[in-house]
Amino acid sequence: DAGVIQSPRHEVTEMGQEVTLRCKPISGHDYLFWYRQTMMRGLELLIYFNNNVPIDDSGMPEDRFSAKMPNASFSTLKIQPSEPRDSAVYFCASSSSNIQYFGAGTRLSVL
Amino acid sequence: GNSVTQMEGPVTLSEEAFLTINCTYTATGYPSLFWYVQYPGEGLQLLLKATKADDKGSNKGFEATYRKETTSFHLEKGSVQVSDSAVYFCALARGSTLGRLYFGRGTQLTVWP
Repeated sequence: DAGVIQSPRHEVTEMGQEVTLRCKPISGHDYLFWYRQTMMRGLELLIYFNNNVPIDDSGMPEDRFSAKMPNASFSTLKIQPSEPRDSAVYFCASSSSNIQYFGAGTRLSVL
Repeated sequence: GNSVTQMEGPVTLSEEAFLTINCTYTATGYPSLFWYVQYPGEGLQLLLKATKADDKGSNKGFEATYRKETTSFHLEKGSVQVSDSAVYFCALARGSTLGRLYFGRGTQLTVWP
């Protein structure tokens, strides 16, 4: 299995632009998680899905952030409009038990 | 509520030194406990886990024992290597339920030759 696949690996954009991060979970996993990692705040859970349904989005920082999971093999995290303080590494993880498998992350820089 | 507290880093050691990274938890019910490791430029990966009191998780020379009486799950290794340099995260899951993990802040370990 290829593991959790995230794209792009790096994204550089200008303030105000829309950013879309993508994630393909491990086949057969029914949970999907989006995290944000920064030096200041550490690892933060943004939202997670079970069977494509959002279960807890209390970690989503603002209305500028949205996440979707249209099917079991794909999820997106969208930031619109982006701001410099959104610069971070964003991780996607999936699981079918209480062990989560992480992707390599997307490093986002908003200038 | 559910939370994990890890010792503040960074931790800097010489090769072959003994490592301890402290982790304590607060949880309702009977959580499962985990240590994840993040190598530079990578995502987190499971290092070891324990699902009930007095269980010992072990992997790659690392060990941690689930201590219910002290609500702790300290990570230890007898002789660290340069390749162990990474960020280590303690985490808990509530009981056997699936769903979210509660992560600590992470502890940066640097091992010098």
